[in-house]
Amino acid sequence: GAVVSQHPSWVICKSGTSVKIECRSLDFQATTMFWYRQFPKQSLMLMATSNEGSKATYEQGVEKDKFLINHASLTLSTLTVTSAHPEDSSFYICSARDLTPGQGGAQHFGDGTRLSIL
Amino acid sequence: KQEVTQIPAALSVPEGENLVLNCSFTDSAIYNLQWFRQDPGKGLTSLLLIQSSQREQTSGRLNASLDKSSGRSTLYIAASQPGDSATYLCAVMNTNAGKSTFGDGTTLTVKP
Repeated sequence: GAVVSQHPSWVICKSGTSVKIECRSLDFQATTMFWYRQFPKQSLMLMATSNEGSKATYEQGVEKDKFLINHASLTLSTLTVTSAHPEDSSFYICSARDLTPGQGGAQHFGDGTRLSIL
Repeated sequence: KQEVTQIPAALSVPEGENLVLNCSFTDSAIYNLQWFRQDPGKGLTSLLLIQSSQREQTSGRLNASLDKSSGRSTLYIAASQPGDSATYLCAVMNTNAGKSTFGDGTTLTVKP
């Protein structure tokens, strides 16, 4: 089945550090990827839609300059949390939509990144 | 704006029981509906995808149905096992390549 790889799985760093998270579709091309944030015992909160070759579309209330998204190829999107602070600590998950004919636009998720800012 | 509701929020059953999880949505003009499971601290695993033109999909002990006119989908799990314990989420996509709207999930516990 379709696989989405997300790295790193766990990051601990000091306040003020910028952290980059990668999301790769391994066996299909993904023109559209999504970045979510999940708080404990809550559902997913969509942060932004990442579009290959163009600017990301951010959800209301998400700071564009804080959460930089780059989707430079059909298989890779990156999320950079700039100047991270403790309130940015969370579980970040990416997904990619498989638009290959016959796949029905199924969405596939990475395993998530646990970000802890000290 | 699409709204997705999942009932119940939590469910506990003894091993071997058949069970049904419910998902309802407000806008019936959907492209597809997808069921996922999430284990604690993990990403989401896709279980079943139902296209708007389909009524149901089956995979092993899982069967998902879709009734667009009533805005409902169900996930049926047969002969539940402790390994089925997880949070189950449904997601509705309204347009091709568009974003999905997720329900809050149903946390299932299957007791040995």
